[in-house]
Amino acid sequence: QTVVTQEPSFSVSPGGTVTLTCGLSSGSVSTNNYPSWYQQTPGQAPRTLIYNTNSRSSGVPDRFSGSSLGNKAALTITGAQADDESDYYCMLYVGRGIWMFGGGTTLTVL
Amino acid sequence: DVQLVESGGGLVQPGGSLRLSCETSGFSFSNYWMSWVRQAPGKGLEWVANVKRDESEKYYVDSVRGRFTISRDNARNTLFLQMDSLRAEDTAVYHCGRYSGSGNYDYWGQGTLVTVSS
Repeated sequence: QTVVTQEPSFSVSPGGTVTLTCGLSSGSVSTNNYPSWYQQTPGQAPRTLIYNTNSRSSGVPDRFSGSSLGNKAALTITGAQADDESDYYCMLYVGRGIWMFGGGTTLTVL
Repeated sequence: DVQLVESGGGLVQPGGSLRLSCETSGFSFSNYWMSWVRQAPGKGLEWVANVKRDESEKYYVDSVRGRFTISRDNARNTLFLQMDSLRAEDTAVYHCGRYSGSGNYDYWGQGTLVTVSS
């Protein structure tokens, strides 16, 4: 059973930098998993931040960036702002047409 | 502007059926894969299903395969999710999304709430 792993929670100071990661229980995350990142408030539409590891979605500020970090995908927020406080989800392609979200990271800015 | 608007949610008893719709506008619907994802109360996002442009390929998460059917009407620019044999654990807000390739699910709807309860 493949599981996409994320830190359950993270905290960052206003103006600080935070890196969230996304891993695979079955091995390393690669470009073939097409990592993407979403910001989401329950009951609202997800907001696409990053796709294909490091491509920024239209209208997303450049303080959001995606990368590979070791055997994981990563989302870095530089210069965190109060309204960055949200849930963040990564999604990976796990093969045979199937996609899978991680469990999400709740980011607190304080 | 690209718009995706879901409808069809509501309260249904366990074992019942519901059909969700996602009406789209502002883009050439027939050129894109489309998707459904859901979020149960207090839980994270879960990818549910994808359908190819011409319906020649459809994929489902294990928990809904055999019970849910994704389909589309390219003439009406509308995506559907037929949900049968519903269970309490299917209770969630269901969002439709557009897939532009290379992992880019670039547009999402606001969602429609499905509640499965007796």
